[in-house]
Amino acid sequence: KAGVTQTPRYLIKTRGQQVTLSCSPISGHRSVSWYQQTPGQGLQFLFEYFSETQRNKGNFPGRFSGRQFSNSRSEMNVSTLELGDSALYLCASSLAGLEQFFGPGTRLTVL
Amino acid sequence: KQEVTQIPAALSVPEGENLVLNCSFTDSAIYNLQWFRQDPGKGLTSLLLIQSSQREQTSGRLNASLDKSSGRSTLYIAASQPGDSATYLCAVSGTGTASKLTFGTGTRLQVTL
Repeated sequence: KAGVTQTPRYLIKTRGQQVTLSCSPISGHRSVSWYQQTPGQGLQFLFEYFSETQRNKGNFPGRFSGRQFSNSRSEMNVSTLELGDSALYLCASSLAGLEQFFGPGTRLTVL
Repeated sequence: KQEVTQIPAALSVPEGENLVLNCSFTDSAIYNLQWFRQDPGKGLTSLLLIQSSQREQTSGRLNASLDKSSGRSTLYIAASQPGDSATYLCAVSGTGTASKLTFGTGTRLQVTL
């Protein structure tokens, strides 16, 4: 059974640009969550999508948004990038909120 | 607001030693608790999931316990090996937000030869 996949694995952007990250969950999983990991703040919850609807949201500014498609694949978008957005972005999938399985992450560097 | 603390922040042990990692959380109204390991620059690997009605879970050399009333969990690693070197993270989810994990800051473990 294939695990959670994330693309791209690495990204370099400049301040002010926008970026879209993609996550494909484990087959059959309908819940997809996004997390940001930084050395200073650790792992922080961004949002969760279930059946194409945002079910939970963390304390991040509106520049961070996401969506989920009918095949459960999810995308996360960050607009007007800031230096502080440099982080490892992790996606997790689960069956109805039980055990969470994480992908390898996307390393975003903002210059 | 749920807060999760992990002690110690770092640990170095010789190969073969048994060890215990600690995790504490401030709000006992949790849905489940999950332990992960993370290798440098990589994603998280799920180790054990303990649902709120359970007291412990075991997988191979790993055993995790949960005491919800005191807000504590421990991860016991038996007969440690160099391949166990990684950062170990515990995370809890709330009863109303099962998919929203609140993470501790992790314990960085190094197992030496």
